[in-house]
Amino acid sequence: GENVEQHPSTLSVQEGDSAVIKCTYSDSASNYFPWYKQELGKGPQLIIDIRSNVGEKKDQRIAVTLNKTAKHFSLHITETQPEDSAVYFCAASLQGAQKLVFGQGTRLTINP
Amino acid sequence: GAVVSQHPSRVICKSGTSVKIECRSLDFQATTMFWYRQFPKKSLMLMATSNEGSKATYEQGVEKDKFLINHASLTLSTLTVTSAHPEDSSFYICSAPSGRSPNEQFFGPGTRLTVL
Repeated sequence: GENVEQHPSTLSVQEGDSAVIKCTYSDSASNYFPWYKQELGKGPQLIIDIRSNVGEKKDQRIAVTLNKTAKHFSLHITETQPEDSAVYFCAASLQGAQKLVFGQGTRLTINP
Repeated sequence: GAVVSQHPSRVICKSGTSVKIECRSLDFQATTMFWYRQFPKKSLMLMATSNEGSKATYEQGVEKDKFLINHASLTLSTLTVTSAHPEDSSFYICSAPSGRSPNEQFFGPGTRLTVL
């Protein structure tokens, strides 16, 4: 089955700097890759997603890149702000399967 | 946008009792919902897929008699933790496909279960 590895487990950056979180997946048939932000005591919130027919997607300060050949995808957050501090999870799933396989999570801390 | 709610948000119970957690899709219908379990500082672990009108599909290692799932309608799925023990204490989260685009899912706010 699918296996998703996420790095780093913790990341600390200065406010205004960029943060990058990387994930790799094992099943080449996976074609949907969402990123979730989870704040303490809350459920995950979808922040951006990408499908395998696209190499990059951007939404304001957030972008995701996908390298199908290498089977890895990354989350990029620019101009980080204190409210970006949270745990971020990547996930992968097969078209139509709906089941998500999550990475281990990255605790992002933005230092003022 | 698509909203998923859970009730209760947190519950404390004694060992041996059963606890029911509700998951509702508020402005859309969901024939399928998913139940996850999350331990502190860990990732989400899929427990089961709830199917409206049929039996739930459980992931390997999840006791179906321990975690009863009922998908009563197109907007409601329930998870009942039977004869709860302290090791069942965890954060339980449900999700539902949004129906807006393939594979897109929205998550509920989670339920914190503490078994004394």
